[in-house]
Amino acid sequence: SQTIHQWPATLVQPVGSPLSLECTVEGTSNPNLYWYRQAAGRGLQLLFYSVGIGQISSEVPQNLSASRPQDRQFILSSKKLLLSDSGFYLCAWRLAGGTDTQYFGPGTRLTVL
Amino acid sequence: KQEVTQIPAALSVPEGENLVLNCSFTDSAIYNLQWFRQDPGKGLTSLLLIQSSQREQTSGRLNASLDKSSGRSTLYIAASQPGDSATYLCAVKRGSSGSRLTFGEGTQLTVNP
Repeated sequence: SQTIHQWPATLVQPVGSPLSLECTVEGTSNPNLYWYRQAAGRGLQLLFYSVGIGQISSEVPQNLSASRPQDRQFILSSKKLLLSDSGFYLCAWRLAGGTDTQYFGPGTRLTVL
Repeated sequence: KQEVTQIPAALSVPEGENLVLNCSFTDSAIYNLQWFRQDPGKGLTSLLLIQSSQREQTSGRLNASLDKSSGRSTLYIAASQPGDSATYLCAVKRGSSGSRLTFGEGTQLTVNP
């Protein structure tokens, strides 16, 4: 069966510090991968998605970036965090060519102080 | 621009009651609609996916309906239980290709024993 992991589960970082969040998927190949952010009082916002290694599409201009160095690994990064980057970050995957059902990871709670 | 609205934002009901959660979207040209469940501090779990050509989908005590022309979907929960307490989100997908889902902000459901 497929599983999706995210780490860390929680993170507290000072403004201006770098960020690296990691997401890995097991039990499937060539998944479509997604990064979402959920901020208080706002719906889920799609940040990035990837249909293959090295292929990243950005949905929202910001100081965040994403990379997919391996087929089942998706990384969200920032060189300098802003207060507004605080939120709950969710990684999700979908079977390429399959149904549109997306499967979400447990999330990372990021607090920028 | 697609906008998804879920009303009410919060709902509290006694155990055993049947209830309906509402989702509306501004652009009726959708490809499909999904309902998700989110437990506090957790990721999302897909509950039901309705294609634009379908009118409803059922899974156990859950029934989701779709009226694309009026831009509405409902999630019906029969015989509610305390374990149903969670936030329920709906999301619409615009086209058959591409990966963007537009989410509502969710309805926070509390089922009281």
